[in-house]
Amino acid sequence: EFVLTQSPGTLSLSPGERATLSCRASQSVSSSYLAWYQQKPGQAPRLLIYGASARATGIPDRFSGSGSGTDFTLTISRLEPEDFAVYYCHQYGNSPRTFGQGTKVEIK
Amino acid sequence: QITLKESGPALLKPTQTLTLTCTFSGFSLTTSGVGVGWIRQPPGKALEWLALIYWNDDIRYSPSLQSRLTITKDTSENQVVLTMSNMDPVDTGTYYCALAIKAAPVLGAFDIWGQGTMVTVSS
Repeated sequence: EFVLTQSPGTLSLSPGERATLSCRASQSVSSSYLAWYQQKPGQAPRLLIYGASARATGIPDRFSGSGSGTDFTLTISRLEPEDFAVYYCHQYGNSPRTFGQGTKVEIK
Repeated sequence: QITLKESGPALLKPTQTLTLTCTFSGFSLTTSGVGVGWIRQPPGKALEWLALIYWNDDIRYSPSLQSRLTITKDTSENQVVLTMSNMDPVDTGTYYCALAIKAAPVLGAFDIWGQGTMVTVSS
């Protein structure tokens, strides 16, 4: 089973700062099948990035994804107030699908 | 517009069987490449994938829960039903259904999610 490990667990930053979130897989993941989701309290997750680097419909360009193999990164170039949330990576190329444990981006 | 909505009991007793229904609109589970999955989230914890059913009746389950799960579809009613047997308090959480289209560009990522339904297991 693919294990996805996200780091850090919590990221404390100020609006306007850059956020870099990491997702490491226990085995190589095809880049076509790595996604990132944003989840705010009381809400369902929202797809941000699919295929490791493609933005989903309506996602601002301050969100970018990169990586390949076992190491993937979600970058938020300049944090807006609405970006403070929990972010999950997800691999969907192999069954069983798996999610990372999440990174919380909080206001410093 | 694509929407999905989960429904089911809010409270269950241990050992009971949970039956959840995902009612969707804006797409058809008879269309090639279309799938609907279930994901759950215990309070304050991470997402956990449970099951997925595709248009062609290809079904996948989480290995750790496979013996307790059954997923079915009713294409005439635009519904997907998940049953989970022998419920335990550790199964408490929010249960989501989500659309996964196994075609470009998303290639199966969970694109659209329902709002989720909270299930509590307690005696």
